[in-house]
Amino acid sequence: GQSLEQPSEVTAVEGAIVQINCTYQTSGFYGLSWYQQHDGGAPTFLSYNALDGLEETGRFSSFLSRSDSYGYLLLQELQMKDSASYFCAHSNQAGTALIFGKGTTLSVSS
Amino acid sequence: DTEVTQTPKHLVMGMTNKKSLKCEQHMGHRAMYWYKQKAKKPPELMFVYSYEKLSINESVPSRFSPECPNSSLLNLHLHALQPEDSALYLCASSLEGSPELFFGEGSRLTVL
Repeated sequence: GQSLEQPSEVTAVEGAIVQINCTYQTSGFYGLSWYQQHDGGAPTFLSYNALDGLEETGRFSSFLSRSDSYGYLLLQELQMKDSASYFCAHSNQAGTALIFGKGTTLSVSS
Repeated sequence: DTEVTQTPKHLVMGMTNKKSLKCEQHMGHRAMYWYKQKAKKPPELMFVYSYEKLSINESVPSRFSPECPNSSLLNLHLHALQPEDSALYLCASSLEGSPELFFGEGSRLTVL
């Protein structure tokens, strides 16, 4: 079967750094994606790792270790607007539909 | 235009009604998706269309019937739904082979 495990909740203060981990089990693996979803909003794409290593996009970075079946999303210089749900997701076929993890609710306080 | 447009935004229907959800994109994406999302849960894959052909059906009950009339449009026909089908229905599209899905804002469905 397939599963992606994430912490259910993370809290942090403005300006801090937060890491959201994702471990996965899947019969096939073509990379790990990260999505952000604000309450009442649509999921939006943040990052994708097909290969091991770190991908940096502004304040957000994502890391993948295929040998450890593990990845994380790193959010730096947290802002209140970063309060949202964050989902890791993978596809077990190249480029086809994503299966989402249970999501991590990030709450950023001042 | 990087939008996926879904209509209606809200829908209330009885268990004997027939209704449809609509989704449109003009990004030239040839992969389109329906996801179902319950409150505080992740999006759950329902259907995938690739080049207007149904490529994945995640064992969705037949009371949900997808249709892809052309490369820009995706419909979800609803018939004889149950109250537990109440959820946010999200449409998404992507370039074929891309992990970057573009989601619409969703249609919030309530079944009475």
